[in-house]
Amino acid sequence: GAVVSQHPSRVICKSGTSVKIECRSLDFQATTMFWYRQFPKQSLMLMATSNEGSKATYEQGVEKDKFLINHASLTLSTLTVTSAHPEDSSFYICSARDPPGAAFFGQGTRLTVV
Amino acid sequence: DAKTTQPPSMDCAEGRAANLPCNHSTISGNEYVYWYRQIHSQGPQYIIHGLKNNETNEMASLIITEDRKSSTLILPHATLRDTAVYYCIVRLQGGKLIFGQGTELSVKP
Repeated sequence: GAVVSQHPSRVICKSGTSVKIECRSLDFQATTMFWYRQFPKQSLMLMATSNEGSKATYEQGVEKDKFLINHASLTLSTLTVTSAHPEDSSFYICSARDPPGAAFFGQGTRLTVV
Repeated sequence: DAKTTQPPSMDCAEGRAANLPCNHSTISGNEYVYWYRQIHSQGPQYIIHGLKNNETNEMASLIITEDRKSSTLILPHATLRDTAVYYCIVRLQGGKLIFGQGTELSVKP
């Protein structure tokens, strides 16, 4: 199946700093990518839809100024967690859809804010 | 909200078939059913998807009822490495996948 790569896989940052997570589709072009967050023992929660060349659309309750999304090319979307706090510690996962079929997921990024 | 309901957990003996059910009674005519699984601390892995016909690939089979209100994922010969959380998802417009709680499958020796 298609490959989606996330980087970094783990990151620890200090409270108040910003962290950037990259999501790349390696063997296909993705006009749309999706960002999810997962807390321990919970399911994935959709945060936002990343659209190449336009603004991201955010799910209800997700702060767009805190979770900045940029989708500058057909193979790369980035999620920046700004002014991170301990409650932002979570597992962040991206996905990209390989038209016309399935969406494929990255391996996830474990963010720990200390 | 997720449009699917699944049992929270199931056990299966190694080597036997694992049959995972899913209800999606409010599915629309052009909405696909997708199955993914997630092994601890990894991103979800695509398994299979279908619209109304039964589907089979190297990983699993998907049986969709004629009224499309439910489906069953079949892992024909479960191994210990199939232990994971399995998610049945109806894909929304725009390609969104909304995850429910899934079924935690434990394959036991």
